[in-house]
Amino acid sequence: AIRMTQSPSSLSASTGDRVTITCRASQGISSYLAWYQQKPGKAPKLLIYAASTLQSGVPSRFSGSGSGTDFTLTISCLQSEDFATYYCQQYYSYTITFGQGTRLEIK
Amino acid sequence: EVQLVESGGGLVQPGGSLKLSCAASGFTFSGSAMHWVRQASGKGLEWVGRIRSKANSYATAYAASVKGRFTISRDDSKNTAYLQMNSLKTEDTAVYYCTRAVSAEFDPWGQGTLVTVSS
Repeated sequence: AIRMTQSPSSLSASTGDRVTITCRASQGISSYLAWYQQKPGKAPKLLIYAASTLQSGVPSRFSGSGSGTDFTLTISCLQSEDFATYYCQQYYSYTITFGQGTRLEIK
Repeated sequence: EVQLVESGGGLVQPGGSLKLSCAASGFTFSGSAMHWVRQASGKGLEWVGRIRSKANSYATAYAASVKGRFTISRDDSKNTAYLQMNSLKTEDTAVYYCTRAVSAEFDPWGQGTLVTVSS
């Protein structure tokens, strides 16, 4: 199975900061990558798919980039509602895998 | 509104069975691949498996951790997907989500149903 490794595992930041989360695949996955946001007690929410396409209704402060094995999720100006856990997911292979998650906390 | 609602979770003993349901509305269910994803308490997301549409022969695929024990099925006439779980283990304890594959990304997700495997 393709292994997805996110870094950092946790991150402290302040409202208004710019933050970047990285995701590395154990083998090339082209652009078959999505990012999800999950808040405590809630289901995940799709933010970005095809590595860089913003899901409808998601604020433009979220952006994604990368292809092959290295990907990033950037939040340009953190808002209070952005403090959550973020997961990357590859859907290149027959079996789908997620990163271990990045917990974004308020500093 | 596109919506998924899971049901059927509960407490079951190790070695037991449970069947989860996922009722869909607001989209063409019959044309969509449906997936199940689980999350143990305080842990990350783990893909469980999927079933494709009739046009794709209802093909199924499973994670290695559940293959041979779990079965995904669907009833397009009822807009419902199912997850039959047999030979349950304590490590299967988790919240189980169903979700739709749009092209391949997952949206939306249901609210989840808790399965607890314990004696």
